[in-house]
Amino acid sequence: QSVLTQPPSVSAAPGQKVTISCSGSSSNIGSSFVSWYQQFPGTVPKLLIYGNDKRPSGIPDRFSGSKSDTAATLGITGLQPGDEADYYCGTWDNSLSAGVFGGGTKLTVL
Amino acid sequence: QVQLVQSGAEVKEPGASVTVSCKAFGYTLTTHYMHWVRQAPGQGLEWMGIISPGAGSTNTARKLQGRVSLTRDTSTNTVYMQLSSLRSEDTATYYCARAFGSDIHGRDGSDIWGQGTMVAVSS
Repeated sequence: QSVLTQPPSVSAAPGQKVTISCSGSSSNIGSSFVSWYQQFPGTVPKLLIYGNDKRPSGIPDRFSGSKSDTAATLGITGLQPGDEADYYCGTWDNSLSAGVFGGGTKLTVL
Repeated sequence: QVQLVQSGAEVKEPGASVTVSCKAFGYTLTTHYMHWVRQAPGQGLEWMGIISPGAGSTNTARKLQGRVSLTRDTSTNTVYMQLSSLRSEDTATYYCARAFGSDIHGRDGSDIWGQGTMVAVSS
């Protein structure tokens, strides 16, 4: 059971927009920065969003992040078949004094 | 080019220990925190611990406390993760990941990841 809660799967058609939610608590999302990762099967996770809503260099602006209270959201617009992957949220939990991840969300582009 | 290069795959028997190394290229360890994350086959990411850039102090997941040790060698720009008393549930790919982002204590995202080291625990 992960500390952060993500939907196991989401799907949308090419060109559409999808959002992936990440729910936590005041000890983690509510008081720490949130990051998001993309992972294709058999590959290393890739940082998409850090600091709740910032994109590292090279990440297209189709990817966006937001946070409100104890929940965070990853948005992906203009969906492409190549976006099919697993997506993870991560943050720091101040009660646990530990990093924590969501269980991951599998994105299917129909 | 900034990259992290990890040691090769390991096969261990239950009860044994394993040490995974992570050598940094293109930057020095004393400038960034480093996380360790593992991923069991078909499962999600699990945070294991973090080592600081200055004093090399560490913080590890409660679930692993007593079994995991994070160290570093600044002369070779390498960090190490040792996991002892291995169990079958420790079978996973282990990653080192450089802390990056908005938090001065390395508690934001990780931008550079090692290629992963597969550790299989089996009798």
